[in-house]
Amino acid sequence: SQQGEEDPQALSIQEGENATMNCSYKTSINNLQWYRQNSGRGLVHLILIRSNEREKHSGRLRVTLDTSKKSSSLLITASRAADTASYFCATRYSTLTFGKGTMLLVSP
Amino acid sequence: GAVVSQHPSRVICKSGTSVKIECRSLDFQATTMFWYRQFPKQSLMLMATSNEGSKATYEQGVEKDKFLINHASLTLSTLTVTSAHPEDSSFYICSASPDSGNTIYFGEGSWLTVV
Repeated sequence: SQQGEEDPQALSIQEGENATMNCSYKTSINNLQWYRQNSGRGLVHLILIRSNEREKHSGRLRVTLDTSKKSSSLLITASRAADTASYFCATRYSTLTFGKGTMLLVSP
Repeated sequence: GAVVSQHPSRVICKSGTSVKIECRSLDFQATTMFWYRQFPKQSLMLMATSNEGSKATYEQGVEKDKFLINHASLTLSTLTVTSAHPEDSSFYICSASPDSGNTIYFGEGSWLTVV
C-alpha cells in the first residue's frame, strides 16, 4: 500500500505556536499534497509539492519533501484557533492515496 | 475556485433500501470523478474512479453491485448504495477533476446513516 502515515496522530498547541506534522509514504510518487478537513466536512486543498521539489511555501504553510526518505512535513506557523482541523497528506501516483491524518487542536 | 457540490449532505435511510448521492461539478466539466468513504476519525479510502461515459473502476474490496456509480454526464456522478445496511453508515466524499485527476476538487461530503 502506498498509504501515507502521518504523525503525530493528534497535536494540541496554543495559539501563536508552530505546528509540525509529518507524513511518510512507501512508494514512488508524482506529487504529494496536503489537505485540511474540518470536522464532518469536505477536504480543502492546501498545497501540492512535486517530486522534484524540496520545499514550498504558501502563506503560513511550509511544506518539505524528502523523496530519499519518503517523507514530508507540513509546518503551520503562528497557529490560530481557526487552524483546528484534521490534516491529511495524500500521495499521487496513478491515484490519490490519503494518509491517516493528524488532528490538530489549537487552543486560544 | 472550482466548486463541487454533493447532495444530500445528510441522509438517513432504512436497512434494505437504496439511497443515491449526487456529485456535481458546478463550474467545470469533470472528466473524472472519484468516490471516497471515510469512517469517523479515519482516513479517506478510495472506492472507485469514474470517467464520463464509461464504467467505473472499483478498488479492491469494494462491491460493485452494492455501490453503483454512474457518471452519465461531464458534470454529474451518482453513487447509489443498494440494499443499505447499518455497516454502510459512513461519510461519503466525491471529488472531481477536469483533467483526468491532475487537478482535483472535493465536495463537502454526505453523511449516510442506515437505521
